Amino acid sequence: QKEVEQNSGPLSVPEGAIASLNCTYSDRGSQSFFWYRQYSGKSPELIMSIYSNGDKEDGRFTAQLNKASQYVSLLIRDSQPSDSATYLCAVGVASGTYKYIFGTGTRLKVLA
Amino acid sequence: DGGITQSPKYLFRKEGQNVTLSCEQNLNHDAMYWYRQDPGQGLRLIYYSQIVNDFQKGDIAEGYSVSREKKESFPLTVTSAQKNPTAFYLCASRPTRGTDTQYFGPGTRLTVL
Repeated sequence: QKEVEQNSGPLSVPEGAIASLNCTYSDRGSQSFFWYRQYSGKSPELIMSIYSNGDKEDGRFTAQLNKASQYVSLLIRDSQPSDSATYLCAVGVASGTYKYIFGTGTRLKVLA
Repeated sequence: DGGITQSPKYLFRKEGQNVTLSCEQNLNHDAMYWYRQDPGQGLRLIYYSQIVNDFQKGDIAEGYSVSREKKESFPLTVTSAQKNPTAFYLCASRPTRGTDTQYFGPGTRLTVL
């Protein structure tokens, strides 16, 4: 069974700090990795996608991928109260058809 | 506006009834997916479809059925065989060329009374 694991949290950080969210996955053949943000009662929205080892930056968000360690992370710089949400890690799996495996999410609280 | 629509937003069902959740997209995406989310849980895959008139079971297909007669539409029926159907249902789509990013509709919250 392919798995994606996240710490459920809550992760609490003060406003302006860096929030670090982590995710591990079990399938070494995974090629694509995604971070989604989900506010309570809403659907997930894409924050970042990453495909190659290393860092990918987009504004205040940085995704980091280490395929050797099967580890992907999301850093949020200058955290704002509006960043308070659940962050879902997803891994794309291609084996004949294409589907996604989701982690259970990490709840982030940014304290004003 | 391009996007994915789901209806209704909220749905109440009596035990023993079948209900159908609508999912429509005008993004010209080939692949469509249905997920279920329970409180404090991640998304679990119910069914997915890569092309019209073809679909595959996901991890929790029992008690659900789908059809894919048109590229734009992928309705999900929750049957009376689904023992615990109260959940948040999410539809998603993905183009099969150029990107493998998946986009979500707004969701339908189903409550069984």
